[in-house]
Amino acid sequence: GAGVSQTPSNKVTEKGKYVELRCDPISGHTALYWYRQSLGQGPEFLIYFQGTGAADDSGLPNDRFFAVRPEGSVSTLKIQRTERGDSAVYLCASSPGSEREGEETQYFGPGTRLLVL
Amino acid sequence: AQSVTQLDSHVSVSEGTPVLLRCNYSSSYSPSLFWYVQHPNKGLQLLLKYTSAATLVKGINGFEAEFKKSETSFHLTKPSAHMSDAAEYFCVVSDGHGGATNKLIFGTGTLLAVQP
Repeated sequence: GAGVSQTPSNKVTEKGKYVELRCDPISGHTALYWYRQSLGQGPEFLIYFQGTGAADDSGLPNDRFFAVRPEGSVSTLKIQRTERGDSAVYLCASSPGSEREGEETQYFGPGTRLLVL
Repeated sequence: AQSVTQLDSHVSVSEGTPVLLRCNYSSSYSPSLFWYVQHPNKGLQLLLKYTSAATLVKGINGFEAEFKKSETSFHLTKPSAHMSDAAEYFCVVSDGHGGATNKLIFGTGTLLAVQP
């Protein structure tokens, strides 16, 4: 079956511009996560959705970052007034939402590589 | 707070020799621990996970890891390295106990090189 897909695979933008990154989770997965991976680092958590609602957005670095999942499937990560420091790979993951809390396997997409010039 | 420390940023082995990637964790309760692998230009793939069942966990591609509470370790091993094992490996702990989140906390990664 299809895995997690993310579009675009690469995005180049200029400082100050607005960008949207899209994630299509595995069909039927109720949980969806966004992570950010900077060069040479491990991924860092941004936000977690259970269904349509953000259950935990403690990882969003500031109010320029926002994410939505209006129908409980596809999610969009939105970044306003981009800065050069936002350059990173943005990863999306999904999980079934049916396993014991904390034990869920998360399935990752290939990521969107964002470069802010 | 949960955290993991990967003790080696780079490990180099010869093909056919054993692999050992070291990870120590810190957790205020019994953790769920994972190892993920990331091949160049590919997504993260789960190798194995520990969730308080058997302490020796077997994963895909011949990898296994042993949970040792007394040492707070979760080292990844493989008896014989293959060229295709060259990748970056992440030790991960889940922050999902008793709360509203299942967020994963990643280590800084170990880059495994396999020499012919």
